[in-house]
Amino acid sequence: QKEVEQNSGPLSVPEGAIASLNCTYSDRGSQSFFWYRQYSGKSPELIMFIYSNGDKEDGRFTAQLNKASQYVSLLIRDSQPSDSATYLCACSGGGADGLTFGKGTHLIIQP
Amino acid sequence: NAGVTQTPKFRILKIGQSMTLQCTQDMNHNYMYWYRQDPGMGLKLIYYSVGAGITDKGEVPNGYNVSRSTTEDFPLRLELAAPSQTSVYFCASSIAPLNTEAFFGQGTRLTVV
Repeated sequence: QKEVEQNSGPLSVPEGAIASLNCTYSDRGSQSFFWYRQYSGKSPELIMFIYSNGDKEDGRFTAQLNKASQYVSLLIRDSQPSDSATYLCACSGGGADGLTFGKGTHLIIQP
Repeated sequence: NAGVTQTPKFRILKIGQSMTLQCTQDMNHNYMYWYRQDPGMGLKLIYYSVGAGITDKGEVPNGYNVSRSTTEDFPLRLELAAPSQTSVYFCASSIAPLNTEAFFGQGTRLTVV
């Protein structure tokens, strides 16, 4: 059974600080890793994905992947109140059954 | 560009009733998925399809059925609704299963009473 683990939070971060979200996965066959943001009552929207070990940066967001430790993280720099949402980590082994999701981390950015 | 469209947005069903959740995408994606999301939980895969005429069970298929007669449409059928099927249902599509974005519909909030 593929599992993706996330701390459900809430994670409270002051505005302007760095928010750090973490995720571990059980399936060593996982090949690509996704971070989705979900506002309350809305559908998930993709923030970024990563498939190579190391860091990938996109604006204020940085995804980090360590396949040896089966660990994925998302850093949000200069956190804004609009970043307050639930962040879902998801993994794919490349199979047709798509993504396995974690339960999500509820992030609160305090003004 | 509409993306993935789900209908209805909200529905209340009585125990034992049946209904079909509609999902349409206009991106010519072969891969389509149905997920359910319970409060405070991640998304769990119900069924998926790799193209017209091809469907397969996901993690939680019991109580549901799907069909895929066209590339665009992937309806989800609930037979004999039960309170355990109260959830938010999301349809998604992607062009490939790996290293590509899955686009989600707006969701259907279903309550079974």
